[in-house]
Amino acid sequence: GAVVSQHPSRVICKSGTSVKIECRSLDFQATTMFWYRQFPKQSLMLMATSNEGSKATYEQGVEKDKFLINHASLTLSTLTVTSAHPEDSSFYICSASVGRGGLEQYFGPGTRLTVT
Amino acid sequence: DQQVKQNSPSLSVQEGRISILNCDYTNSMFDYFLWYKKYPAEGPTFLISISSIKDKNEDGRFTVFLNKSAKHLSLHIVPSQPGDSAVYFCAARRGKLIFGQGTTLQVKP
Repeated sequence: GAVVSQHPSRVICKSGTSVKIECRSLDFQATTMFWYRQFPKQSLMLMATSNEGSKATYEQGVEKDKFLINHASLTLSTLTVTSAHPEDSSFYICSASVGRGGLEQYFGPGTRLTVT
Repeated sequence: DQQVKQNSPSLSVQEGRISILNCDYTNSMFDYFLWYKKYPAEGPTFLISISSIKDKNEDGRFTVFLNKSAKHLSLHIVPSQPGDSAVYFCAARRGKLIFGQGTTLQVKP
C-alpha cells in the first residue's frame, strides 16, 4: 500500500518557538494532502487541506497564521506551528490523497508535539 | 457539533467471535462512509468503505452495514482475531472526512 511518512515522530519545544513537521508520500505523488489534529480520546479533526502549488484551505477556527502549511511538491507538505503555546500540544497527523475527492487517504504515523 | 459519533469507547470480544463496532451520524448529505484501523504510534489505515446508495459491503472478514433511515452504520468482524485489536474510527465524507472518536477493540485469545 501507499506509504506516508512524518518527521519528527515526537518533538518537545519551548513556548514561543516554532516547530516544523514534514509529511512525505514515499511511493506516490499526492495531489492533495490533509493535516489533522487529534486530542486525547477524541476524533481526528481536519485542520487544513492543501493542494500542490496552491494555498491551503483552512477549516473554520484554525488560525492560518499560526499553522503555516506549505505543499511545495507532489510528495512533500510541511506544517509549521508558529509561536507555539502549551495549548498547541497535540498529536498531528497528515494524510495524502491521489485524487481530490479525499476518499482514499493514506495517513502518516503522526507527530506528538509537546510545548513546555 | 459532533456529526459522527462512536458511542462505545471500548469493546472486548473473544477470539473467533464476532466484533460489532457501531457508528451514528447526523448529516444525511454524507456520500461515503469509511472505517479505519489504527495501531499505537501509527497512522490510521483504511479498512473498508460503503457508498450512501448501498446498504452492505463485504471484504473478507469485514462487513459494513449502512442503515440510512437510522443514520447508523456498523462494522462486523468475523471471526475476530487478536491481531484485530486496535482503535477503529468510522468516518463520513461530505467533501472532507469527518471522524468519530474511535472505539478500542480488544480481541482476547
